[in-house]
Amino acid sequence: SQTIHQWPATLVQPVGSPLSLECTVEGTSNPNLYWYRQAAGRGLQLLFYSVGIGQISSEVPQNLSASRPQDRQFILSSKKLLLSDSGFYLCAWTVNRNTIYFGEGSWLTVV
Amino acid sequence: AQSVSQHNHHVILSEAASLELGCNYSYGGTVNLFWYVQYPGQHLQLLLKYFSGDPLVKGIKGFEAEFIKSKFSFNLRKPSVQWSDTAEYFCAVIPSGGYNKLIFGAGTRLAVHP
Repeated sequence: SQTIHQWPATLVQPVGSPLSLECTVEGTSNPNLYWYRQAAGRGLQLLFYSVGIGQISSEVPQNLSASRPQDRQFILSSKKLLLSDSGFYLCAWTVNRNTIYFGEGSWLTVV
Repeated sequence: AQSVSQHNHHVILSEAASLELGCNYSYGGTVNLFWYVQYPGQHLQLLLKYFSGDPLVKGIKGFEAEFIKSKFSFNLRKPSVQWSDTAEYFCAVIPSGGYNKLIFGAGTRLAVHP
């Protein structure tokens, strides 16, 4: 069956520390992968999306980066976190644009 | 750039009132359209989706949406809301072609009072 795993679920990081959120997909191949940040009043803001290994499109300028080292792995990173990076991050994937699968989400608090 | 607009950020209704939430998108080609609901403290849940065919789509929990291509709209409706419909509602679009970018609206918070 098709599933998506996202971790860690929660983390508290100091300002200036690095970040790595990971998302892996099972039960499919060559998915389109997405990273979103959900903030109150702003809905789901698309941060990055990828249509294949090594292919990353960035939607908004920010302190974050994304990588896709394998077909079903999507990583959200930062070298130095800012307070404004705090929020809820959600990974998602689609195949053939028909169904959207969401990860469980990751709560990031930068202190 | 492609975008999705949800006109109402906050909606307050009494139980049994009718609901219509607006969603407009900016893209001239074929689109796949979705409505998601997020109940307090819970994850996103699919209400309904449209790919092709009958522009009036029935979803779960009595929701429906109508795709009007000429207006680039996909409004969500429910004839009679319940207190349990209190949630945030998100419209989403996947345009055809390009990179299959999945775009969400900013969401509409619905509060239903008994």
